Amino acid sequence: GENVEQHPSTLSVQEGDSAVIKCTYSDSASNYFPWYKQELGKRPQLIIDIRSNVGEKKDQRIAVTLNKTAKHFSLHITETQPEDSAVYFCAASRGSSGSARQLTFGSGTQLTVLP
Amino acid sequence: NAGVTQTPKFRILKIGQSMTLQCTQDMNHNYMYWYRQDPGMGLKLIYYSVGAGITDKGEVPNGYNVSRSTTEDFPLRLELAAPSQTSVYFCASTPSPNSPLHFGNGTRLTVT
Repeated sequence: GENVEQHPSTLSVQEGDSAVIKCTYSDSASNYFPWYKQELGKRPQLIIDIRSNVGEKKDQRIAVTLNKTAKHFSLHITETQPEDSAVYFCAASRGSSGSARQLTFGSGTQLTVLP
Repeated sequence: NAGVTQTPKFRILKIGQSMTLQCTQDMNHNYMYWYRQDPGMGLKLIYYSVGAGITDKGEVPNGYNVSRSTTEDFPLRLELAAPSQTSVYFCASTPSPNSPLHFGNGTRLTVT
């Protein structure tokens, strides 16, 4: 099955700096890569996702890049703010229309933005 | 829409007891999922369903059972609770495999 590794497990940055979180996956057939943000005691919430036919996607201060050859994808947060502090999870899955996606999650990165 | 609703929010069980975690969604989503999240870890898929009457095992199904008699409800049953089942359980739904997951607020379960 799929295996997703996520690094680093903890990351501290100064407010205004950039943060980068990296994930690698093992199943070359995986074609969907979402990122979730989870605040303490809350449910995971999707912040951005990318599909295997795209190399990069941006949404304001957040971007995700995908390298299918190397089987890794990264989350980039620019101009970090204290409210970006949370645990971030990457995930990967294969799947197509009509079949359920079984997401495999990374172990998470605790991001702390220092004021 | 209330979205995905999970009950209870917290529960303490003794070893060997049984319970059902409830999950209901009012978005008419066909696809529903149960995940568990252990401390400091990512989510692991327990069971999923692609529609009423259809369920399938995920990565960690042992010790759990599910049913899907209606589109709205997807309860998770724990039989003979064990300390290893101490975790936070999240239910999620989506209208299609290519759409994002909508998570419930979770159930924090402790087995002692």
